Amino acid sequence: QVLLQQSGPGLVKPSQTLSLTCAISGDSVSSNSAVWNWIRQSPSRGLEWLGRTYYRSKWHNHYAESVKSRITVSPDTSKNQFSLQLISVTPEDTAVYYCARDAPGSSYFDFWGQGTLVTVS
Amino acid sequence: EIVMTQSPATLSVSPGERATLSCRASQSVNTDLAWYQQKPGQAPRLLIYGASTRATGIPARFSGSGSGTEFTLTISSLQSEDFALYYCQHYYNWPTWTFGQGTKVEIK
Repeated sequence: QVLLQQSGPGLVKPSQTLSLTCAISGDSVSSNSAVWNWIRQSPSRGLEWLGRTYYRSKWHNHYAESVKSRITVSPDTSKNQFSLQLISVTPEDTAVYYCARDAPGSSYFDFWGQGTLVTVS
Repeated sequence: EIVMTQSPATLSVSPGERATLSCRASQSVNTDLAWYQQKPGQAPRLLIYGASTRATGIPARFSGSGSGTEFTLTISSLQSEDFALYYCQHYYNWPTWTFGQGTKVEIK
């Protein structure tokens, strides 16, 4: 059973950086079959995939066009976790943020973190 | 970007009745389609993947069908715990995925 435990502040000031962490148990951030994602949910934008990181002989990242210039998703192998950084936030970035795992060999999300409400104000 | 459109926005159903939810893709996604259930204050839970395969532990009253651009999630006999939000998601064109806007299943 994979468990994803999120942590990070729930309040960020405009123009500052949103930072969240997702600690993994039951799998490895360095797994050659897993992909680790950040997704957010807001009333105005619904569920929105933001970005992912994964290891296939080297580290790879992909980001949604809507946040590509502001986002970094990075692994921390020493702590078996991965993180989200979103710079220059505005009130439009207010949302519940989730981390989630791609099912091995596919791209639907089989395990999710508990969610973190981040308010930009 | 592939746009996913769900209908209806809200579905009012009595316990024990059948619920049929629809999801349409703006272009073909083959069967690269998943359904999720979300209850208030919780993360989405995977119900169906590959358009029709139930995820581990999902009751048989949940079934998915469709391919290409038209998909259906059917709940054969609604239980009290099934009243929730339901989302579809395609995973056809790597590396970006999109979700539908959701269907709320409420008690009639």
